[in-house]
Amino acid sequence: EDQVTQSPEALRLQEGESSSLNCSYTVSGLRGLFWYRQDPGKGPEFLFTLYSAGEEKEKERLKATLTKKESFLHITAPKPEDSATYLCAVQRSGNTGKLIFGQGTTLQVKP
Amino acid sequence: NAGVTQTPKFQVLKTGQSMTLQCAQDMNHEYMSWYRQDPGMGLRLIHYSVGAGITDQGEVPNGYNVSRSTTEDFPLRLLSAAPSQTSVYFCASSKGGVQYFGPGTRLLVL
Repeated sequence: EDQVTQSPEALRLQEGESSSLNCSYTVSGLRGLFWYRQDPGKGPEFLFTLYSAGEEKEKERLKATLTKKESFLHITAPKPEDSATYLCAVQRSGNTGKLIFGQGTTLQVKP
Repeated sequence: NAGVTQTPKFQVLKTGQSMTLQCAQDMNHEYMSWYRQDPGMGLRLIHYSVGAGITDQGEVPNGYNVSRSTTEDFPLRLLSAAPSQTSVYFCASSKGGVQYFGPGTRLLVL
């Protein structure tokens, strides 16, 4: 059964304190792994797509990496505005587009 | 370009009432989907559509109906609301695998 597990559930950081969020997945043939950011009361906002092990993508203070079993979202020198819930999702090969989401990691960055 | 829009933003229903959650997109995306988001459960797929006239069930379809008569619109119908359907509902449209989400509808069933 396809499954996505994110850890930790919640993370508190001081401004400037770098860390990583983990997304472990089990899927029969990965088409793509997606990272989203969700602010309170809003819909998820697309951040990255990763397609193959070894791939990396960056956007400002965020860098996403992918292995055959997990993905990491590295946050370098975070700022309070990076506070949000970060969601990971996988799409299976041959699938018409369905995503399987993890439960998310809620990040709080304190000034 | 409004992206994905959803109405209403918030709705209160009584058990047994019916209603339709509206979703529209102006990006000409073929794939559209409905999710519900509950605390500790993540986003769960209710129904999806790969194009006008084609719909299919997701992970949690019971109690919900959908139809897709146009590329732009994908309404979600609650036939007889139950307290277990209290949730936040998100519509999404997709191109190239990336799904773009609407702002959500918060539904409370009493």
